[in-house]
Amino acid sequence: QSALTQPRSVSGSPGQSVTISCTGTSNDVGGYKYVSWYQQHPGKAPRLMIYDVNKRPSGVPDRFSGSKSGNTASLTISGLQAEDEADYYCCSYAATYRVFGGGTKVTVL
Amino acid sequence: EVQLVESGGGLVKPGGSLRLSCVGSGFIFSDYSMNWVRQAPGKGLEWVSSISNGSSHIYYADSVRGRFIISRDNAKNSVDLQMNSLRAEDTAVYYCARGQFGQTDYWGQGTLVTVSS
Repeated sequence: QSALTQPRSVSGSPGQSVTISCTGTSNDVGGYKYVSWYQQHPGKAPRLMIYDVNKRPSGVPDRFSGSKSGNTASLTISGLQAEDEADYYCCSYAATYRVFGGGTKVTVL
Repeated sequence: EVQLVESGGGLVKPGGSLRLSCVGSGFIFSDYSMNWVRQAPGKGLEWVSSISNGSSHIYYADSVRGRFIISRDNAKNSVDLQMNSLRAEDTAVYYCARGQFGQTDYWGQGTLVTVSS
């Protein structure tokens, strides 16, 4: 049950795109289509942004997109906005457990 | 409107026990798997436990297996987390979240558990 690997931080200017990677193994990310991404602002509960690798829940802007290749999933934020500054976590299903990434802080310059 | 409300957090001594509860409303509780996820102060999210809608499938993180017990009462729209043999490293905000396969679409506001002498 090792945590998925995410970069500690990424940054970009308003309007730019940033991509956050999430690396696991064939037992989690690589083995299932159930990868999700969460946004968390300070002092708030996490918010689901992406599920099933690349699907957006109702209400999530289409600036957020997800993908997966092998054991690595990615979250891309296009047209970065000030309100996107937050912590982002990936999560994967792994049959008998679920596992989160360590989190990535997105800074809007 | 979907709502999840946790309760039961507080200060407990190492080795002690605490029972967290989460009540759901605004959806058919018995249709959904439920989860507990925690976040230590200044740290990331950590999955703790999941229970299927009918309680037939229950899973735990290695860090809590044998000490924590998850259960649910669909008649009361509630899911509980019984936490025993608590350690300092269990100190965290505990969130209740709805969803299966690790994909949770609604979260409660969290309840703080502090393990300290």
